[in-house]
Amino acid sequence: AQSVSQHNHHVILSEAASLELGCNYSYGGTVNLFWYVQYPGQHLQLLLKYFSGDPLVKGIKGFEAEFIKSKFSFNLRKPSVQWSDTAEYFCAVNLNTGFQKLVFGTGTRLLVSP
Amino acid sequence: EAQVTQNPRYLITVTGKKLTVTCSQNMNHEYMSWYRQDPGLGLRQIYYSMNVEVTDKGDVPEGYKVSRKEKRNFPLILESPSPNQTSLYFCASSLSAGRPWDEQFFGPGTRLTVL
Repeated sequence: AQSVSQHNHHVILSEAASLELGCNYSYGGTVNLFWYVQYPGQHLQLLLKYFSGDPLVKGIKGFEAEFIKSKFSFNLRKPSVQWSDTAEYFCAVNLNTGFQKLVFGTGTRLLVSP
Repeated sequence: EAQVTQNPRYLITVTGKKLTVTCSQNMNHEYMSWYRQDPGLGLRQIYYSMNVEVTDKGDVPEGYKVSRKEKRNFPLILESPSPNQTSLYFCASSLSAGRPWDEQFFGPGTRLTVL
């Protein structure tokens, strides 16, 4: 079965530190990749997505992610985090089988201390 | 404003008492889905609907029912809730089932506690 792994379950950083959250998936076909963010008490919202073209994608709030097909990875990065980035981050994969099947990772809780 | 709404936002109930969580979207989306979010497990799909009158099971459908009589509404029904259904529930919608590159729009969530 297809799966999405997020190896960092909890991350604690100080403001201005750099962030990298890992995401690996197990599926050999074409995929569409997403990072969603859930701020405390709020619903999930899209940070960024990749479906074709440049494997380095930029999203909102200074986030970016790189799709490395050979490593089945889609890691999320931000050069300098802010306290307001405290949230839970979910990697998700939608298999390109012609219809929607979004598979989520288990999430990474990020705490940024001021 | 384009949005997905869910009601209620919070619900505490007792084992066996039937309940319905409503979900509505105003974006004319074909595809709708229900997820449950549990600590350490991420979001898991319960049921989904590709269009009106077309629904199918997701990964964790046991104990749940859904219906899609209108395009905008996709209620989640728990006929006989049990404590293991205590969770945070999210409804989501997307333009079309046939566009897996589109983002899904999520509702605000319903926190359900079954005693």
